[in-house]
Amino acid sequence: SQQGEEDPQALSIQEGENATMNCSYKTSINNLQWYRQNSGRGLVHLILIRSNEREKHSGRLRVTLDTSKKSSSLLITASRAADTASYFCATALAYGGSQGNLIFGKGTKLSVKP
Amino acid sequence: DTEVTQTPKHLVMGMTNKKSLKCEQHMGHRAMYWYKQKAKKPPELMFVYSYEKLSINESVPSRFSPECPNSSLLNLHLHALQPEDSALYLCASSQEPMGQGLDGEQFFGPGTRLTVL
Repeated sequence: SQQGEEDPQALSIQEGENATMNCSYKTSINNLQWYRQNSGRGLVHLILIRSNEREKHSGRLRVTLDTSKKSSSLLITASRAADTASYFCATALAYGGSQGNLIFGKGTKLSVKP
Repeated sequence: DTEVTQTPKHLVMGMTNKKSLKCEQHMGHRAMYWYKQKAKKPPELMFVYSYEKLSINESVPSRFSPECPNSSLLNLHLHALQPEDSALYLCASSQEPMGQGLDGEQFFGPGTRLTVL
């Protein structure tokens, strides 16, 4: 069953603007990961943040994690047309039969216009 | 080699056919995964292999049969599928099985686009 919910479902911005996507989840996690998927292709791992971390950076990406609110955000700065893709958060559960396995959220479809 | 490869890229099959999807990785990863992704939906976990043994089957119908011949290969055998099984099938691998304190990223293949007529 899904436990991640992203918002917005779709986001359209101009090149050079920042894009922020949010993810909420329901149960305790070991880590939260963000993936990118170009239309109908495989997923590419972007960044992983562990449950004891609050913020992480990678190039133009900034991820935050608030375990008290069970939420995360992904910020892409100075967006480019090539950033157009779907972005998924995925949580690695801390407990239960599916411990550690990734549960994907519904995704945010980002469109960056030149 | 940091790539997961999948063949074929596209597959069209009838409901009475038997076909197989193949996945290969040469990164020495000890866990491999099959996901199913319907259009405009997130990937859903189907099977997990840890150290070449099936560790998780997420209540997948028996018309899907996974096989891990060795640590680099993962197959998904298909038989008597239904049109609603049409989807993108993604294979992934990770260095270690998830949930063992070494949780890390998964590497995904490009997927097989399956159409069941």
